[in-house]
Amino acid sequence: QITLKESGPTLVKPTQTLTLTCTFSGFSLSTSGVGVGWIRQPPGKALEWLALIYWDDDKRYSPSLKSRLTITKDTSKNQVVLTMTNMDPVDTATYYCAHMTVGTIFGVVSFDLFDYWGQGTLVTVSS
Amino acid sequence: EIVLTQSPGTLSLSPGERATLSCRASQSVSSSYLAWYQQKPGQAPRLLIYGASSRATGIPDRFSGSGSGTDFTLTISRLEPEDFAVYYCQQYGSSPRAFGQGTKVEIK
Repeated sequence: QITLKESGPTLVKPTQTLTLTCTFSGFSLSTSGVGVGWIRQPPGKALEWLALIYWDDDKRYSPSLKSRLTITKDTSKNQVVLTMTNMDPVDTATYYCAHMTVGTIFGVVSFDLFDYWGQGTLVTVSS
Repeated sequence: EIVLTQSPGTLSLSPGERATLSCRASQSVSSSYLAWYQQKPGQAPRLLIYGASSRATGIPDRFSGSGSGTDFTLTISRLEPEDFAVYYCQQYGSSPRAFGQGTKVEIK
């Protein structure tokens, strides 16, 4: 059974750095064809993909937020960490992590599907 | 970058009725890597459909997906009370992974 849970601060001040941890079970991030991604959702708004990391430590970032994001994994702890610098009130959102099933063709990633999601954690940015 | 546009924004229907949701992409979605998610208030999204037409594990057969290229459809054949929610499409074959803005299916 695959489960994921996000943890981190519920309140951060503008300009601070946000660090979120996704702790998962039921799979290993060292297994080929597996990844973990982060998605956020401002209150009442749509989903926005942020970043993802694959089993081989390859990473992808949203172009609009790339300069502010860093994603890392700790396979031994079954955790993925997302950091976002220079937080602003517009970054107030529920942040989700999700398990990805990754498909490859001739060793190149062809797709990555968010198939299991954590419950999300609400982060408010306010002074 | 692929932009996904969902329509309508809100669909007001009664239980038992058929719901048809549209997702249009600004460019062709490679290999039909198009997914649909359901989200209820206070809950995380749940994967319903992947590969444009394949149901995820445990998803009832009243949910079906179709389409290719730039035009995709999610159909709920007969709405059950638990189906009133927001539905998002997402393309997952090219970067950046994009979501649509959502369609809310509400009780009429």
